[in-house]
Amino acid sequence: DIQMTQSPSSLSASVGDRVTITCQASQAITNYLNWYQQKPGKAPKLLISDASKLETGVPSRFSGSGSGTDFTFTISSLQPEDVATYYCQHYNSLPYTFGQGTKLEIK
Amino acid sequence: QVQLQESGPGLVKPSDSLSLTCAVSGYSISSGNWWGWIRQPPGKGLEWIGYVYSSGITYYNPSLKGRVAMSVDTSKNQFSLKLSTVTAEDTAVYYCARFSGWYNYWGQGTLVTVSS
Repeated sequence: DIQMTQSPSSLSASVGDRVTITCQASQAITNYLNWYQQKPGKAPKLLISDASKLETGVPSRFSGSGSGTDFTFTISSLQPEDVATYYCQHYNSLPYTFGQGTKLEIK
Repeated sequence: QVQLQESGPGLVKPSDSLSLTCAVSGYSISSGNWWGWIRQPPGKGLEWIGYVYSSGITYYNPSLKGRVAMSVDTSKNQFSLKLSTVTAEDTAVYYCARFSGWYNYWGQGTLVTVSS
């Protein structure tokens, strides 16, 4: 199975800060990598597919990059409504596992 | 707009089976796509349980060791999950979702507690 390792596991930043989360796959997954945002008590929401494709309606301050084994998720200017847990998920080969999550808080 | 809604018992006894149904609206299951179940234990991360295609083809997470079965009922536009021989470790919020490489439509989730 491909293991997805996210870092950091938690993060505290100020409004307006640039925030970066990384996701590393245990083997190459080309660009088969998605990012989700989950707010407390809610289902996850797809933000980015195929490593860098922003979903319709998702603010442009969110972006993703990477290929192979190393991926990055960035919020260019943190907003209060971005408080959530973020997950990466690959779909290179079954089982399509998730990262362990990064909990983002406002400082 | 595609919408999914989970339903089923919120409390299951240890060693019993957990059965959930996901009703889909705004899209015909028979049109295709994979339909999946994902769970999240309290305070923990997301775990993929498995997928079922509209034709009935299934893929399951090997970590669940043969306890999972999924099916599709195209006449009711819904799909189902059955998890057998449950323990307290199966306590989680269970989500159904449409899978196209990514999960772009989710149900709201339903909490299932395993307890006597």
